[in-house]
Amino acid sequence: DTEVIQTPKHLVMGMTNKKSLKCEQHMGHRAMYWYKQKAKKPPELMFVYSYEKLSINESVPSRFSPECPNSSLLNLHLHALQPEDSALYLCASSDRPGAGELFFGEGSRLTVL
Amino acid sequence: DQQVKQNSPSLSVQEGRISILNCDYTNSMFDYFLWYKKYPAEGPTFLISISSIKDKNEDGRFTVFLNKSAKHLSLHIVPSQPGDSAVYFCAGNQGGKLIFGQGTELSVKP
Repeated sequence: DTEVIQTPKHLVMGMTNKKSLKCEQHMGHRAMYWYKQKAKKPPELMFVYSYEKLSINESVPSRFSPECPNSSLLNLHLHALQPEDSALYLCASSDRPGAGELFFGEGSRLTVL
Repeated sequence: DQQVKQNSPSLSVQEGRISILNCDYTNSMFDYFLWYKKYPAEGPTFLISISSIKDKNEDGRFTVFLNKSAKHLSLHIVPSQPGDSAVYFCAGNQGGKLIFGQGTELSVKP
């Protein structure tokens, strides 16, 4: 199984809503990532988890809250988002922290109204 | 500060010819570089990488060249096929952080 599975594929939420994006991989990878990609822009790193611990937070606003319940799962909790947070959110994993070859999911397309 | 730059937003090539995608970088601390390919509505897919201590890496139709003195790398695809049409991202890796370029949209015409 070489897949990174992200749910939901599409999410529309209001600015007062609380929602979560989920990511799952069963490749035994020990590093997991959240990236954000706006239209016509490159993916931008948000968070890195290494061995289930948060190792990198790229100064992401606190309205985005990551969680890694176990080595296979990664969540991104969303609260009080702004319309400019609308983007494609990509989850990725790699077999070891620091390895650049990432396996990406298809992304969750988020629209904030 | 754009650490990785892909100055050509698009490239059109005839099927069977060579596609050359270029990438420049400013960060000397990148320890290796990767190319990713992205189709619409899908996540990026890893294509090929090169360590900063190498100058060439080849995998089938794909070859990546690295010129450290010029801080430049390029991806060669030969022969190009219509299925290669996608957005190609160059990325530099530093300590597990990938910094992506803006991407080049390649169109391979039959």
